[in-house]
Amino acid sequence: KAGVTQTPRYLIKTRGQQVTLSCSPISGHRSVSWYQQTPGQGLQFLFEYFSETQRNKGNFPGRFSGRQFSNSRSEMNVSTLELGDSALYLCASSLVPGQGTGELFFGEGSRLTVL
Amino acid sequence: DQQVKQNSPSLSVQEGRISILNCDYTNSMFDYFLWYKKYPAEGPTFLISISSIKDKNEDGRFTVFLNKSAKHLSLHIVPSQPGDSAVYFCAASPNYGGATNKLIFGTGTLLAVQP
Repeated sequence: KAGVTQTPRYLIKTRGQQVTLSCSPISGHRSVSWYQQTPGQGLQFLFEYFSETQRNKGNFPGRFSGRQFSNSRSEMNVSTLELGDSALYLCASSLVPGQGTGELFFGEGSRLTVL
Repeated sequence: DQQVKQNSPSLSVQEGRISILNCDYTNSMFDYFLWYKKYPAEGPTFLISISSIKDKNEDGRFTVFLNKSAKHLSLHIVPSQPGDSAVYFCAASPNYGGATNKLIFGTGTLLAVQP
């Protein structure tokens, strides 16, 4: 079956702009979480959604927001982009939160470059 | 405050030898630990996990050891193969008293297996 799909794969924005990233989880998966990967920082947790509700939020400013739709697809938005927002944004899904051993299924990510 | 630390940014081993990747954590409330592998331009993929009630878990060539008193875990790959060359992330699942997909990741170790 299809894996986690993220769009767009690559995008370039300028400072001050806003961006919306999309994630379609594996069919049947209802839990979606987002992570930011930057060099030297590893993966940092952004948000977690289940049944259209945000369950957890990481330590990021309010410029970072997200939502989940009734079909479990999720979007995240970053407003007033800063140079430091350049990163790989990864979406991960699972059937339900904390499924099994905590294994998450990741998409290939959206590479955002802010100029 | 880095709660999960991978102090070796890179590791190089010869094909057929053992690879040992290390990870330290600071939060004694973590109840599950996972290792993910990431190839360039791909999302992380789950490799192996271990519950805090165990001290060892094996899956084929991969074994994870957990030393709770030292707050240390390690991933052993025996024998190492060139296809194992990737970035390995250690991750911990915090015990919030409820299911969550929030994982705390280390910064990763780049493993290079030389033929």
